[in-house]
Amino acid sequence: DSGVTQTPKHLITATGQRVTLRCSPRSGDLSVYWYQQSLDQGLQFLIQYYNGEERAKGNILERFSAQQFPDLHSELNLSSLELGDSALYFCASSPGYGEKLFFGSGTQLSVL
Amino acid sequence: DQQVKQNSPSLSVQEGRISILNCDYTNSMFDYFLWYKKYPAEGPTFLISISSIKDKNEDGRFTVFLNKSAKHLSLHIVPSQPGDSAVYFCAASAQTGRRALTFGSGTRLQVQP
Repeated sequence: DSGVTQTPKHLITATGQRVTLRCSPRSGDLSVYWYQQSLDQGLQFLIQYYNGEERAKGNILERFSAQQFPDLHSELNLSSLELGDSALYFCASSPGYGEKLFFGSGTQLSVL
Repeated sequence: DQQVKQNSPSLSVQEGRISILNCDYTNSMFDYFLWYKKYPAEGPTFLISISSIKDKNEDGRFTVFLNKSAKHLSLHIVPSQPGDSAVYFCAASAQTGRRALTFGSGTRLQVQP
């Protein structure tokens, strides 16, 4: 158990809809990262927050947004969903910047 | 633009033999490299790392080698065990970890009993 909690584990929705993925980092970790893993692809970095502030941005679509709350949990919002958004979304946390990351078990999103 | 490449999608080895997983990178700013292991239905877990100031790091059965001039790193598992069967991801970051990790596409290792 990494200590990183992601909910829900599975999400099935339709094109055009909006969903929210939730992540609780390990106790004491200030950084939260979101990654997307599509079929047969590596983990694509989406966005990083550090202590509530956006720290780095990767290949995140404009339809996607995230935030980190004062209690350090984070939410990833995906809107106007398309079939191609179907993927495994991972959250990871670390104490500061970029040390080894601790990953949650992911949210499997299926857009039908 | 794939900055971290794992060109072998899969690898099969016999129990007790050596497993060698390879990774190439293109960004010369990368100075910190990690290997993660992933079992089905779980998130990736950290395995071993190496800084660019070293060319080898060892932890039990796992050794990572870094060849900076070739922009290549490899993970050696000796001896391989059936429990090592998983997907292995290579990752890299710049400025000694101050940048988010860039991951390769993974290599699925199957260790045959």
